[in-house]
Amino acid sequence: KQEVTQIPAALSVPEGENLVLNCSFTDSAIYNLQWFRQDPGKGLTSLLLIQSSQREQTSGRLNASLDKSSGRSTLYIAASQPGDSATYLCAVCALEETSGSRLTFGEGTQLTVNP
Amino acid sequence: NAGVTQTPKFRVLKTGQSMTLLCAQDMNHEYMYWYRQDPGMGLRLIHYSVGEGTTAKGEVPDGYNVSRLKKQNFLLGLESAAPSQTSVYFCASSYRRCSPLHFGNGTRLTVT
Repeated sequence: KQEVTQIPAALSVPEGENLVLNCSFTDSAIYNLQWFRQDPGKGLTSLLLIQSSQREQTSGRLNASLDKSSGRSTLYIAASQPGDSATYLCAVCALEETSGSRLTFGEGTQLTVNP
Repeated sequence: NAGVTQTPKFRVLKTGQSMTLLCAQDMNHEYMYWYRQDPGMGLRLIHYSVGEGTTAKGEVPDGYNVSRLKKQNFLLGLESAAPSQTSVYFCASSYRRCSPLHFGNGTRLTVT
């Protein structure tokens, strides 16, 4: 059974710092990996999706990398801002014969960027 | 473009009562999902649908039923609510399997 772990569970940094969030997964037979952001009281917003054949994806100040063989992904946030404060979740998607696909979420890292 | 819309936003039920959570998407997505999110347990899939008229069980389907009579709508029903169903419920949709998920803003349900 796929397990997704995100460490640390919470992170507090000063504004302007570059930071890395970690995501690890136990089964490397994945189709892709997504990073999400969740603001308090809101749903999840998809930030980046990396296909299993890709090494990284970039969107603005965000850069996500994927090392499928070692079961790891990182989300790099450059020049962090207070508006980046949120919970960041990763999820791996695998194809399955019976259900079509299975998405497994990590529990997230709660990020606080202090002014 | 509204994306994924969930109603209601909040609801309080007494044990044994029933209710239906509504989810609507305007992106012409084939796949729709219902998740519940609980502290320490993360997001867990309740039921999902891979197209109009289809439904399937997810990880925690007991106590819930779903229907997808129209492509844009996915309904989640609780026939006899229990305190263990106190949670935040999220609906999500995607164009196809393993494509980016679009989430609604959730329904916070309390069962007393």
